[in-house]
Amino acid sequence: EIVLTQSPGTVSLSPGERATLSCRASQSVSSSFFAWYQQKPGQAPRLLIYGASRRATGIPDRFSGSGSGTDFTLTISRLEPEDFAVYYCQQYGSSPMYSFGQGTKLEIK
Amino acid sequence: QVQLQESGPGLVKPSQTLSLTCTVSGGSISSGDYYWSWIRQPAGKGLEWIGRIYISGRTNYNPSLKSRVTISVDTSKNQFSLKLTSVTAADTAAYYCAKEGAYTSPFYYFDYWGQGTLVTVST
Repeated sequence: EIVLTQSPGTVSLSPGERATLSCRASQSVSSSFFAWYQQKPGQAPRLLIYGASRRATGIPDRFSGSGSGTDFTLTISRLEPEDFAVYYCQQYGSSPMYSFGQGTKLEIK
Repeated sequence: QVQLQESGPGLVKPSQTLSLTCTVSGGSISSGDYYWSWIRQPAGKGLEWIGRIYISGRTNYNPSLKSRVTISVDTSKNQFSLKLTSVTAADTAAYYCAKEGAYTSPFYYFDYWGQGTLVTVST
């Protein structure tokens, strides 16, 4: 089973700043099988990025994804107040099965 | 636009069976274009994929839950369901149903989610 480890666990930033969130896989993951989600309190997760770098429908272009192999990054270029939330990475692997990272909380500084 | 809605008891006793249903609207499960999944999240914790089903009835389960999980589909009602047996307090969580991307797509992700339903395991 592939384990996804997200860092940092919590990051404190101000609106307008740039956020860089990381996700490391315990084994190489196909970029096609990698995605990022945003979750706000009391809500279901929302798909942001799929295929490691493709923005989902309706996602602002301040969100971008990059990476390959075992290291993936979600970047938010200029934080808006509504971006403060928990972010999860996800991979699809053999078995077949899905797994998620433990999440990174992006909080207002 | 596809919408998913979970339903079922919010309280289940230990050792009993948790049963939830996901009703899909705005699209047909029978189209055969997608896999349909269940995912859970204990309060304040991360996401755990439980399993999925395809219209043919083909299922895949998380190995850690496989011995206790059954996912089924009812095309006549445009629903799919989850049964989790022998529950304990560790199964207390918000349970989400979700739709995967297109079956023929090379990408794997969940693009539509239900709002989630909280299930508490307690006497």
